Amino acid sequence: GAGVSQTPSNKVTEKGKYVELRCDPISGHTALYWYRQSLGQGPEFLIYFQGTGAADDSGLPNDRFFAVRPEGSVSTLKIQRTERGDSAVYLCASSPGDRGVYGYTFGSGTRLTVV
Amino acid sequence: AQRVTQPEKLLSVFKGAPVELKCNYSYSGSPELFWYVQYSRQRLQLLLRHISRESIKGFTADLNKGETSFHLKKPFAQEEDSAMYYCALSMNRDDKIIFGKGTRLHILP
Repeated sequence: GAGVSQTPSNKVTEKGKYVELRCDPISGHTALYWYRQSLGQGPEFLIYFQGTGAADDSGLPNDRFFAVRPEGSVSTLKIQRTERGDSAVYLCASSPGDRGVYGYTFGSGTRLTVV
Repeated sequence: AQRVTQPEKLLSVFKGAPVELKCNYSYSGSPELFWYVQYSRQRLQLLLRHISRESIKGFTADLNKGETSFHLKKPFAQEEDSAMYYCALSMNRDDKIIFGKGTRLHILP
């Protein structure tokens, strides 16, 4: 597609449930990034893929969070045993992979609410 | 650790007045610096990057390595400039970008 697409746009789930958030990057972009943005904060880095592999997952807060990108295109962020503190907007971005020099193109985000 | 600091949460400026959004960073190497903007109900988008030395929508930003700053400036504010602005840094040999907490710019009529 023309831009970065994220689905769903909104997700409400109960505490303890499992959720999957999907990101479809710009066609041909090799680098894909996940960020989390809580209210009043800037985007916080979670994980970065170059192709199919996670090049840097240092931002994942704990082992309840996991992300995959099996074919080097679409990525899924998975959260197990959700907690109320996981409520945030989850942003995905993609880039041609040039060291971040040219910045990213962001999706519109998935607003996750854990009740 | 690498950090981006935006000291102002909110900046209110009258239309036609100059704007300066402050950004300081801590990083010992040579960073790539960016400004991102988020208008109401729109997605986060790149405004400008320091390597291209460009002016976008009248905004400019100069990297001052001595003061480790990358302040965003515009000589005459317009109402459509009201938005959330994020300063961001990319480290050498690393693709991830680190964001500041953002400054909300409110242009008063």
